[in-house]
Amino acid sequence: DVVLTQTPPTLSATIGQSVSISCRSSQSLLHSNGNTYLHWLLQRPGQSPQLLIYLVSRLESGVPNRFSGSGSGTDFTLKISGVEAEDLGVYYCVQGTHAPWTFGGGTKLELK
Amino acid sequence: EVQLVESGGGLVQPGRSMKLSCAASGFTFSNYGMAWVRQAPTKGLEWVATISYDGSSTYYRDSVKGRFTISRDNAKSTLYLQMNSLRSEDTATYYCTRDRKNYFDYWGQGVMVTVSS
Repeated sequence: DVVLTQTPPTLSATIGQSVSISCRSSQSLLHSNGNTYLHWLLQRPGQSPQLLIYLVSRLESGVPNRFSGSGSGTDFTLKISGVEAEDLGVYYCVQGTHAPWTFGGGTKLELK
Repeated sequence: EVQLVESGGGLVQPGRSMKLSCAASGFTFSNYGMAWVRQAPTKGLEWVATISYDGSSTYYRDSVKGRFTISRDNAKSTLYLQMNSLRSEDTATYYCTRDRKNYFDYWGQGVMVTVSS
């Protein structure tokens, strides 16, 4: 199975600070059809996960544009440009290129 | 508005069975693949099973193959997960999620399954 390694496991930020989360894959996530099925989710405390970014860099409808995704192959990054209080929670990267679907271990974003 | 509402969880003894349901609304259910993803207490997310839009194809993680069955009733806009021979390691919150061509775009609120004697 593909292993997704997220760093850091915990991130402390102040409101307005910009932060980045890394997701590194054990193998390339470029599918033979040309798509890269690497996505980002946010799970707020006590809530179910929600989709933020799909296909590496596409912003899901309704998600603020302070969220952005980048990367290719095996290295991917989620950036939040100006953290807001509602952004606190656990961020997961997830891949759908190789069966079975796998998730990263999560990065917990806390207020400093 | 897309809604996914899971039901059917609770406490079950090891080796017994349980069936989860997920009622979908706000979209054309028969046009989408669907999946179950679980989360053990204080742990991360783990994909469990996926079913194609018409139910003709199903996929499972190795640890549940032969024990779990994913199915759907498009006339009722409902997704199911039949879980047999349950083990303590199956204890988790189970989420129903919509598969929009290889990514999960909507998630239910989750239903807790506890396997314990």
